[in-house]
Amino acid sequence: DGGITQSPKYLFRKEGQNVTLSCEQNLNHDAMYWYRQDPGQGLRLIYYSQIVNDFQKGDIAEGYSVSREKKESFPLTVTSAQKNPTAFYLCASRRPGPSNEKLFFGSGTQLSVL
Amino acid sequence: GNSVTQMEGPVTLSEEAFLTINCTYTATGYPSLFWYVQYPGEGLQLLLKATKADDKGSNKGFEATYRKETTSFHLEKGSVQVSDSAVYFCALSDNGGGTSYGKLTFGQGTILTVHP
Repeated sequence: DGGITQSPKYLFRKEGQNVTLSCEQNLNHDAMYWYRQDPGQGLRLIYYSQIVNDFQKGDIAEGYSVSREKKESFPLTVTSAQKNPTAFYLCASRRPGPSNEKLFFGSGTQLSVL
Repeated sequence: GNSVTQMEGPVTLSEEAFLTINCTYTATGYPSLFWYVQYPGEGLQLLLKATKADDKGSNKGFEATYRKETTSFHLEKGSVQVSDSAVYFCALSDNGGGTSYGKLTFGQGTILTVHP
């Protein structure tokens, strides 16, 4: 079955540590997105990528980094510069074309600080 | 910039009650509008969408009509079930083209709990 796989489901970060969240899709989608979800604040866009080897900052990119070396993969690194990283992180993808606006979401990674 | 405002939650209903979750938006141009649903511990799933004014999106007994004159996209269901308990997000899509295409702006989410 096609879909988006995020791992791990739960992740703990120590002070000053960088951690990387994995997002893999086998839907052959060009566009991929990372959102952060905090209680009562909805989803906020961190980074997105419309095509391999290209990505753009979203609304809250500070303290995060991404790469897009393969179409299937869009990992997110939460760096030590992100002072409040505890949140639920969601990866999403979208088919190419102006009429394909539906986002497909992974099941998320809950990141907590030790 | 674009923004989406949802009614404050949480919303608690008895089974078979009528549901309305209000959503209003601010956007330039002609955005598409969406309702997504999130069940506990999962990602979001598209529930319904509308791409132009006066369109009605519907799915699983839920409906929402794109009202450009009131910039609203309220979600309704005539008779809720316990299995409808979830978080509901209203969202709009930036159709301005270029590198911003496909970005969604989400509301803050509304928690719905339905009791038997």
